[in-house]
Amino acid sequence: EPEVTQTPSHQVTQMGQEVILRCVPISNHLYFYWYRQILGQKVEFLVSFYNNEISEKSEIFDDQFSVERPDGSNFTLKIRSTKLEDSAMYFCASSDPAAANYGYTFGSGTRLTVV
Amino acid sequence: GIQVEQSPPDLILQEGANSTLRCNFSDSVNNLQWFHQNPWGQLINLFYIPSGTKQNGRLSATTVATERYSLLYISSSQTTDSGVYFCAVSYNQGGKLIFGQGTELSVKP
Repeated sequence: EPEVTQTPSHQVTQMGQEVILRCVPISNHLYFYWYRQILGQKVEFLVSFYNNEISEKSEIFDDQFSVERPDGSNFTLKIRSTKLEDSAMYFCASSDPAAANYGYTFGSGTRLTVV
Repeated sequence: GIQVEQSPPDLILQEGANSTLRCNFSDSVNNLQWFHQNPWGQLINLFYIPSGTKQNGRLSATTVATERYSLLYISSSQTTDSGVYFCAVSYNQGGKLIFGQGTELSVKP
């Protein structure tokens, strides 16, 4: 079964540093997403990406965040200057609404710890 | 926006027992999925079920779209079923998934 791949699985960074989280969505999917989950809380939507541009973003996705699809396979989330409250599990997902039985497929997540 | 409410918030079972988890949503949806978050934090897709009934082994799910709820049934529960179960919905093609708060299930041996 096709998978969404995320790297790294864990990342520890100093407050104020930039981090880039990487994702390889399923190859024939057209929509890409980032979500985050603060420990013990529900999964929150950050941003969706379609046709090489952001299609929707949440209030959480402020100027510190950016997304990019630098080539035909990777999808990245950059946090420019990390804060302690950015510590969370970050999930990448992809979907293909044209599929007959489509759903969203999630990666295994990147656990980000800001110290 | 759409509200997604799950119940119960917590559930403790003895191994072998059956359980029903519920998800209510406040508006029409075109996608509904059930996920299991395992102890390592991974979100495992259980069902894509915007309507109807599906079964996969000991798990089954039913969504009654007209009444805006979905049920996840777990039969003969095992300790490996422990974790958090999330319901998530979207209401437009390619749109964001909106998650409920989850049901934390603990299955005791």
